[in-house]
Amino acid sequence: NAGVMQNPRHLVRRRGQEARLRCSPMKGHSHVYWYRQLPEEGLKFMVYLQKENIIDESGMPKERFSAEFPKEGPSILRIQQVVRGDSAAYFCASSPRNTEAFFGQGTRLTVV
Amino acid sequence: DAKTTQPNSMESNEEEPVHLPCNHSTISGTDYIHWYRQLPSQGPEYVIHGLTSNVNNRMASLAIAEDRKSSTLILHRATLRDAAVYYCILRPEGSQGNLIFGKGTKLSVKP
Repeated sequence: NAGVMQNPRHLVRRRGQEARLRCSPMKGHSHVYWYRQLPEEGLKFMVYLQKENIIDESGMPKERFSAEFPKEGPSILRIQQVVRGDSAAYFCASSPRNTEAFFGQGTRLTVV
Repeated sequence: DAKTTQPNSMESNEEEPVHLPCNHSTISGTDYIHWYRQLPSQGPEYVIHGLTSNVNNRMASLAIAEDRKSSTLILHRATLRDAAVYYCILRPEGSQGNLIFGKGTKLSVKP
């Protein structure tokens, strides 16, 4: 059973471009969480999704950020018109229910 | 969500036991105590969790105080690969919500 897969591992975008981060949860897991970790800071929750539904997006910036978890395919975190402050590591986690969460290796976004 | 308090950093020598404390004085009866760790440049990794009784697994042991207001993660023999930030997190039973990470304890292991 493969772990949580995130791609790309590293992503470089110029200011104003769009960034798309993908997360494939572990097989059988229907809960996906996205976290952001700014340099030298802790992990901050962004959004919690189940298949085709956003359950909690209280940690998501109101503008430019969106997330989806379609019936088929990976979960996508989309950042439009990126700015330098978006540079961070973005981690995805999945869990089957309310047990332990399994994290991916993250996508490191650099905005130049 | 109930909060936890951990020391910012700790040091250990290789092959010695490490006791990482966590205070959670406002814990409620249905809160599980979870521990995760994050190695440098990696995603967080589940370590262990428990409710009332002490727990053991291949990675660590979790000792929970009788009043549940504190707990201790025990690494029986620290290795250099155990150098990481360790997070103690409370999660209500049945919760499907997110894990709230604090600042954790940065563990350094000296050879």
